[in-house]
Amino acid sequence: DVKVTQSSRYLVKRTGEKVFLECVQDMDHENMFWYRQDPGLGLRLIYFSYDVKMKEKGDIPEGYSVSREKKERFSLILESASTNQTSMYLCASSLSTPLGEQYFGPGTRLTVT
Amino acid sequence: DQQVKQNSPSLSVQEGRISILNCDYTNSMFDYFLWYKKYPAEGPTFLISISSIKDKNEDGRFTVFLNKSAKHLSLHIVPSQPGDSAVYFCAASARTSYDKVIFGPGTSLSVIP
Repeated sequence: DVKVTQSSRYLVKRTGEKVFLECVQDMDHENMFWYRQDPGLGLRLIYFSYDVKMKEKGDIPEGYSVSREKKERFSLILESASTNQTSMYLCASSLSTPLGEQYFGPGTRLTVT
Repeated sequence: DQQVKQNSPSLSVQEGRISILNCDYTNSMFDYFLWYKKYPAEGPTFLISISSIKDKNEDGRFTVFLNKSAKHLSLHIVPSQPGDSAVYFCAASARTSYDKVIFGPGTSLSVIP
């Protein structure tokens, strides 16, 4: 059974803290993604990765960085959390074939106070 | 500027009737379209897709229609069931970058028993 797990379901951090969100997939997928979901805006792509140590900016990368040291793990880093980064963060993975569907984790609800 | 639009934030339908969820897109390079379904506290799950070479794709109770000239697609659910109550995201991708999927803002469907 396909599985994407995220390290935390809920997280509360203070402004200025460094925040790490971890994502692990067990499907041997090449591609991994980080999105944030906000009301009225849908899912917006922050970063994605085609392979280990490879990363590409998505539509809203500012204030975020990522790390992919192993194929199964993709980390999202908020270098200095701000209140406008309060959101639902969703990780996904997919095979590197055309039209490969994405499999999502359950999400992390991050609140920055 | 949103490239994928879902102009109805919410929709209520009686159980057993048809649910029609609409989606419009602006980028003429999009040639592959997907629908994802999301329950609260879960990540989105893939529902159905359609390539631009087709105008209809059917999977059980779910049918997606594509009108390329109008840059419009719709998801039909017949008959609607209470378990269909969820947020539905329309998404699109282009031949040049199939791995990068653009999501719409979502439509929250409520199926009333």
